[in-house]
This record gives sequence, structure tokens and C-alpha cells, in this order.
Amino acid sequence: EDKVVQSPLSLVVHEGDTVTLNCSYEVTNFRSLLWYKQEKKAPTFLFMLTSSGIEKKSGRLSSILDKKELFSILNITATQTGDSAVYLCAVVGGATNKLIFGTGTLLAVQP
Amino acid sequence: KAGVTQTPRYLIKTRGQQVTLSCSPISGHRSVSWYQQTPGQGLQFLFEYFSETQRNKGNFPGRFSGRQFSNSRSEMNVSTLELGDSALYLCASSLVLRASGRSYNEQFFGPGTRLTVL
Repeated sequence: EDKVVQSPLSLVVHEGDTVTLNCSYEVTNFRSLLWYKQEKKAPTFLFMLTSSGIEKKSGRLSSILDKKELFSILNITATQTGDSAVYLCAVVGGATNKLIFGTGTLLAVQP
Repeated sequence: KAGVTQTPRYLIKTRGQQVTLSCSPISGHRSVSWYQQTPGQGLQFLFEYFSETQRNKGNFPGRFSGRQFSNSRSEMNVSTLELGDSALYLCASSLVLRASGRSYNEQFFGPGTRLTVL
């Protein structure tokens, strides 16, 4: 059965810290891995990683995909209170657009 | 470009009733997927529509159904509501590039419909 496991479940850091969020997966015919940020509303798209794009960066956020070891990490440097959210990892496998989500990592950034 | 829109944003129903939720994808996006989000189960896939056809379905009972119109707008229906159906229902749209319907593009979520069943 396809599954996505995220760790840690929750994390509390102080502003300016660097955090690393983990996502491991098992999926048939892997096609892509996506990261989303969810505050008190719908998930906001951050990155998509595929076989042809295993590293992405946007400002203080970056992500890499290790297709051999079946995991991805999301790094956030110089964290700010606005980074506080649930970060969701999802994978797509097979011939559809079905997203299989992990349970998410709750990040709290304290001033 | 306007984002994914969902209506209504909030809904309160009682057990046994039925409900219809609507989703308008981003212009040009032909794939629409529906997800249910609850504190206990997280985000779970309901179904996906492409070109008015259901392409994939999650593990939900037959009370949950959907459809897609020729303009790619989609609706989902839940009949005989149960208390456990209370959730945030999210719609996501995706650009499909190939005739086969496969896509390697990002999926963008709408704001969701918060359904409360009393």
C-alpha cells in the first residue's frame, strides 16, 4: 500500500533557526513529490520534485529529493514567525493525479 | 489568473440530508480532484475527474459522488450525511498536458468548504 511518513510530527524553534523537515515514501510508479504549507486555510503549493528536478529553492526554502532512498527534505533557513504552519508532503504515483499525503509536520516559530 | 474557487465556503447540515459542493478550477486546468481533511485522518483523496470522466476513486462509500462538466467545473455530492462527514472538503486543479491525461504539473487547492453535520 502506498504511504507517506513525515517527521517530526511537530517542532518548536526560535526565529532565526534553521529547520529540516523529513518525508519518506513508498509508492508504486513514483512520479512526483510535492510540498505544501497549510495555515488556517487550504494548502499552499511550495515545491514539486520529479526525476528531472530533484532540487528546488525559493528564498529561504529549499527541498531535495532522493529517489534512491525514497525520501525528501524541506529546509527552512532563518525562520520567521510567519513560517509557523503545518507542512505537508504528498506523492503522486501511477497513472493518475491522486495525491497521497503524509500527516504533516506542525512547525511553530517563536519570536 | 484567478485561483481555484469553491462554493459554498461554509455549510451546516443535519444527519440524513444531502449536500452538493462546487469547484471551479483554474482557467485551462482540466483535472479536478477532491479531498477530505479531518483532524483524525488528515487529507484523504476522494476522486479525480478529467474531461468529464472519473479517473480514480478513493476509499469512500458510495454516498460520496461527483461529476465534472464540459467547462471543467466539478461538483461533489454527499447523500445521507453522517456526523463523521464533518470535514474540510478541498478541491485541487491541475494542468494536464498530454492526451493520455497524465500530468506532471502542480496541483493547486481551493479555499475549501467547511461542512458541519449536526
